[in-house]
Amino acid sequence: KNEVEQSPQNLTAQEGEFITINCSYSVGISALHWLQQHPGGGIVSLFMLSSGKKKHGRLIATINIQEKHSSLHITASHPRDSAVYICAVQFRAGGTSYGKLTFGQGTILTVHP
Amino acid sequence: NAGVTQTPKFQVLKTGQSMTLQCAQDMNHEYMSWYRQDPGMGLRLIHYSVGAGITDQGEVPNGYNVSRSTTEDFPLRLLSAAPSQTSVYFCASSYRDSKNIQYFGAGTRLSVL
Repeated sequence: KNEVEQSPQNLTAQEGEFITINCSYSVGISALHWLQQHPGGGIVSLFMLSSGKKKHGRLIATINIQEKHSSLHITASHPRDSAVYICAVQFRAGGTSYGKLTFGQGTILTVHP
Repeated sequence: NAGVTQTPKFQVLKTGQSMTLQCAQDMNHEYMSWYRQDPGMGLRLIHYSVGAGITDQGEVPNGYNVSRSTTEDFPLRLLSAAPSQTSVYFCASSYRDSKNIQYFGAGTRLSVL
């Protein structure tokens, strides 16, 4: 079964701390997505990775294809980073695999001032 | 840009009622999909479409119908609502290539009594 596991499920941090959220998956993928869901419910795509590392502001996403593992890092965390962070993968399959995402359960991040 | 527009934002149904959740995108995306989000379950794919006139089932299709008569619109129909369909529903779209980010609608919170 194609699975996506995220850890931790809940994460509490103090403002300014460096944060890491991990995502592991079971079989080969064509792409991995990191998504952010704020308390209001909307989902925003942060990164799409197929190899290496991407950076946007204080957010860094890395992926190790051999280890089947990805991490999302937040540097100098801020209370506005409080949200649910979701890992999603496109498993490698024939034909119409594009766009079909399998999601992790999400990591609830709370950053206190 | 409107992006992905979902209506309604909230809906309460009685068991056995039918309704249609609307989803429209203005980005000329070929790929559109419907997900449901339940506590502790993560997001799960209900149905998806790779272009006008083409739809297919996802992980949890039972109780839902879809059609894709135009590139822009991808409605989700509940023919006879059940309490198990109480959930938050998200529509998403992307370009057809597997390495494109997905854009999500704001979600529809549905309660079936």
